[in-house]
Amino acid sequence: DSGVTQTPKHLITATGQRVTLRCSPRSGDLSVYWYQQSLDQGLQFLIQYYNGEERAKGNILERFSAQQFPDLHSELNLSSLELGDSALYFCASSLAQGAQGNTIYFGEGSWLTVV
Amino acid sequence: GENVEQHPSTLSVQEGDSAVIKCTYSDSASNYFPWYKQELGKRPQLIIDIRSNVGEKKDQRIAVTLNKTAKHFSLHITETQPEDSAVYFCAAKGGGNKLTFGTGTQLKVEL
Repeated sequence: DSGVTQTPKHLITATGQRVTLRCSPRSGDLSVYWYQQSLDQGLQFLIQYYNGEERAKGNILERFSAQQFPDLHSELNLSSLELGDSALYFCASSLAQGAQGNTIYFGEGSWLTVV
Repeated sequence: GENVEQHPSTLSVQEGDSAVIKCTYSDSASNYFPWYKQELGKRPQLIIDIRSNVGEKKDQRIAVTLNKTAKHFSLHITETQPEDSAVYFCAAKGGGNKLTFGTGTQLKVEL
């Protein structure tokens, strides 16, 4: 158990719909990262937050948005869903925003299936 | 931005043999290089990491080497076992704070 909690574990929804994925980082971690992993694909970085503020942005679509709340949990919002958005979405956390050597721990992921 | 290339994409070895996975990175400011192991449908788990001020690090059967001049780093697994079968990802953390992953190597250890 990495200490990073993600909900829901599985989600099936229809095209055009909107979903919210939730992540609680490890106790004490200030940085939260979101990654997308499609079938047989690598880990695509979406976005990073540190202590409530956006710190780095990757290949995140405009239909997707995220935020980190004062209690440090984070939500990833996916809207106008398309079939291609079906993927495993990972949240990860680390202590600091970018200090050398800060280990990033992954949650178990949220499986999203768009039908 | 950072670009991480990983080779090979698939690797099959006999049990007991060694396995080597290689990665190159593009951002000379990158200073942290972790390796993750991911089993099917599971989360990536850190197996070893190395910082830019170190050239080599070993942990039992696993070792990582870093060549900053050439901007490449490698994962070495000795005495492979069936439970080593998984997808391995290298990653590099550059000046932009984000951790960029390689495309993964599917390692299969055959009996």
